[in-house]
Amino acid sequence: QVQLEESGGGLVKPGGSLRLSCAASGFSTSDYYMSWIRQAPGKGLEWISHISGSGTTIKYAESIEGRFTVSRDNAKKSLYLQMNSLRVEDTAVYYCTRVRGYSGYEEEDYWGQGTLVTVSS
Amino acid sequence: DIQMTQSPSSLSASIGDRVTITCRASQYISTYLGWYQQRAGKAPKLIIYAASSLEYGAPSRFRGSGSGTDFTLTINGLQPEDFATYYCQQSYSTPRTFGQGTKLEIK
Repeated sequence: QVQLEESGGGLVKPGGSLRLSCAASGFSTSDYYMSWIRQAPGKGLEWISHISGSGTTIKYAESIEGRFTVSRDNAKKSLYLQMNSLRVEDTAVYYCTRVRGYSGYEEEDYWGQGTLVTVSS
Repeated sequence: DIQMTQSPSSLSASIGDRVTITCRASQYISTYLGWYQQRAGKAPKLIIYAASSLEYGAPSRFRGSGSGTDFTLTINGLQPEDFATYYCQQSYSTPRTFGQGTKLEIK
């Protein structure tokens, strides 16, 4: 069955860096876009990025562009989020998702359990 | 960016009730809309895609409708497990924006 498991979260100081990983299983990762979506404590969902199956197409939300970088390694069935210049407002649970696409429609059909990133001095 | 606005922000209802949540897009998105359910402390789960298609495994009491800019999620015959927060998300363009959420609570 499809499973996504994030790791790498933790406490980091403002201006610091962190790298999140998402290990996928149960499907061919190269066939799917994947996304990162975050949720600040007590707040709603914020889409921050997605990457195509081949890794050649990447989109970012304005709030993280230039600071965060998404990449993937299909041989390792893994998705990554390199986060630099972290700010207090980046504190959130970070989810990786699989994007199911067909006939132009796309939806986040599987989600990991999330990993908490806390940015605080 | 496309703004997604949900109403109400919170809603109290009883077991067995029918409830409706609305989602409005700031511009035309055809039927590129999904609905997600998030129970407390859990990851969100897809329940409706393409505005009106029921996700495999989601109960048939969930119904999505709408196109263009106005969408609704209706739950017929609320069950205890339905008390959660619901989000809409557009997939018409990037960034893939979400509504602010509707928290459904037990009356």
